[in-house]
This record gives sequence, C-alpha cells and structure tokens, in this order.
Amino acid sequence: AQSVSQHNHHVILSEAASLELGCNYSYGGTVNLFWYVQYPGQHLQLLLKYFSGDPLVKGIKGFEAEFIKSKFSFNLRKPSVQWSDTAEYFCAVKKLTGGGNKLTFGTGTQLKVEL
Amino acid sequence: GAGVSQSPSNKVTEKGKDVELRCDPISGHTALYWYRQSLGQGLEFLIYFQGNSAPDKSGLPSDRFSAERTGGSVSTLTIQRTQQEDSAVYLCASSLGLTGGFDQPQHFGDGTRLSIL
Repeated sequence: AQSVSQHNHHVILSEAASLELGCNYSYGGTVNLFWYVQYPGQHLQLLLKYFSGDPLVKGIKGFEAEFIKSKFSFNLRKPSVQWSDTAEYFCAVKKLTGGGNKLTFGTGTQLKVEL
Repeated sequence: GAGVSQSPSNKVTEKGKDVELRCDPISGHTALYWYRQSLGQGLEFLIYFQGNSAPDKSGLPSDRFSAERTGGSVSTLTIQRTQQEDSAVYLCASSLGLTGGFDQPQHFGDGTRLSIL
C-alpha cells in the first residue's frame, strides 16, 4: 500500500533559522505532490504543489519544495522562518494511475518557531 | 469568496447514536472528498464524489459509514451506531476536478470535531 512518511513529528526553531521538513512516499508510479499547512485554529491550506516540469517548486510565503524522483522525496524548505510560520505541515501524494482521486497524507509535522 | 463550509463545527453524542455531518463545497466544484483526522494520525481518506456519484468509497472504515451527495453540491456523511473509535475531526474538501488537463488542488473546510461519549 502506498504510504507517505514525514519523519519529523515536532520541530522547534528560532526565528531566522532555516527549515527543511522531510517527506518520502512509497509509490513508484507517476504522482502529484502537495504540501498543506494548518495554522492554529484555521483550516488546511495549500502551500505548494508539484504536477510536472521543474522539480523545484515555489509556494506561498517563501516556501519551496524539491521533488527528487530517485529518492521518492518532496522535502519542504524555507531559508528563514518567522514566528508566524508556527503551524502543522502535511505532505500529501496523489497517484495518477490506479489511485482514484484521493490524497494520501503523511502524519504531519508540528513546527514551532520561537522568538 | 466562500470556502468549503461544514456543519456542525462540533458534535458530541452518545455511543450508539447516529450522526450526520454536512459539507457545502465551493460553488462550481464538481469533486468532493471526505477525510478524517484521528488523534495522532494523519488525514485518512474516506470517500470521493465526482458529481453525485462516488467512484471511490475505499476509505469508508465500515458499513456503519455512508455518504451521499445531491444536486452535485451538498454532501452528508452519516455514521450509524457510533462507536468511541469514531471520535475524530471529519474534514471535507472540494476541487474543480480535472480542468484543462490538470488536476486541481483540493480546498478544505474547517472540519467537524466529533466526540463519542
């Protein structure tokens, strides 16, 4: 069965530190990849997505992610985090063949940014 | 514009009762999805609607769970004879589906927090 792994469950950073959150998936076929963010008290929002083309995708609020097909990875990065980036981050994968139309999510990474 | 609307936002009920959760998608979105998020778990897919039909029900955990969508719009998720393990946040999402050859991202509602006593 397809799975999505986010190895960091809790991350604590100081403002201006760099961020990298790992995401690996197990499916070998063609996929669409997503990062969603959930700020405290808010609903899930799309941060960025990869469908095809340039494997380095840029999203909102200075976030970017790189798709490395050979490593089945889609890690999220930000060069300098802010206190307002405190949130839970979810990686999600959609199989383009045989997967229906559903997203398979990782268990999430809780990021806390301290002043 | 209006996002995905879910009601109620919170529901507390006794074990064994039936519950209905409602989702009102973004206007014009043909695809609708139900997920649930249990404590310490990621989001778990339940069911997907394209229009009024459900081509993928693979995530429904048991026959106590059912969902319908009418008029290509509002959807209800029904849980019969609730159990304590049904306690979770139930999230609804909608999307434009496949548009211009590209799959469109899903937009999520705030969820319904269901607590079974």
